[in-house]
Amino acid sequence: QKEVEQNSGPLSVPEGAIASLNCTYSDRGSQSFFWYRQYSGKSPELIMFIYSNGDKEDGRFTAQLNKASQYVSLLIRDSQPSDSATYLCAVNLFSGAGSYQLTFGKGTKLSVIP
Amino acid sequence: EPEVTQTPSHQVTQMGQEVILRCVPISNHLYFYWYRQILGQKVEFLVSFYNNEISEKSEIFDDQFSVERPDGSNFTLKIRSTKLEDSAMYFCASSVNKETQYFGPGTRLLVL
Repeated sequence: QKEVEQNSGPLSVPEGAIASLNCTYSDRGSQSFFWYRQYSGKSPELIMFIYSNGDKEDGRFTAQLNKASQYVSLLIRDSQPSDSATYLCAVNLFSGAGSYQLTFGKGTKLSVIP
Repeated sequence: EPEVTQTPSHQVTQMGQEVILRCVPISNHLYFYWYRQILGQKVEFLVSFYNNEISEKSEIFDDQFSVERPDGSNFTLKIRSTKLEDSAMYFCASSVNKETQYFGPGTRLLVL
């Protein structure tokens, strides 16, 4: 059973601070890792993806992957009130049937306080 | 910027009725997916579709569900006989390769 675990939060940070979101996954065969942002009532919006161990930076966002620990994280620097949303961690495992399917965590709700 | 579109945005139906949810994937994408999200729960994979056939389906995707790409642009999800527990947001997604998936805005289905 493939599982992706996230703290549900809410995680509250003051405006301008760093928000740190964490995710663990159970299947060691997982090959790629995604962070989506989901505003209430809206669809998941892709923020970042990471395939290799280490850090990947894109603007105010940094994704970190540690495959040995089966751990993925997302750092948001200079957090803004508009970053307030639920952040979904998703893991992609090649099924062998010619496609990938995303397995999602339940999401961490982030609240950035002005 | 190209995006996935879905219609309708909301659908209300009676239990036992058939519904068809429609999606237009991003034009150069080759892989298509349906996911659902029951209110307050996680996003769940239903089915993936490539080269005009189902690549993989989850346990949720039983005989009541079917998918079709009737022409070069549309991708549809049909639920033959809806149940109360089918009430959820249904998201279509597409990807140009097997990796990064982009989601449409969703269809909120309510079964009464």
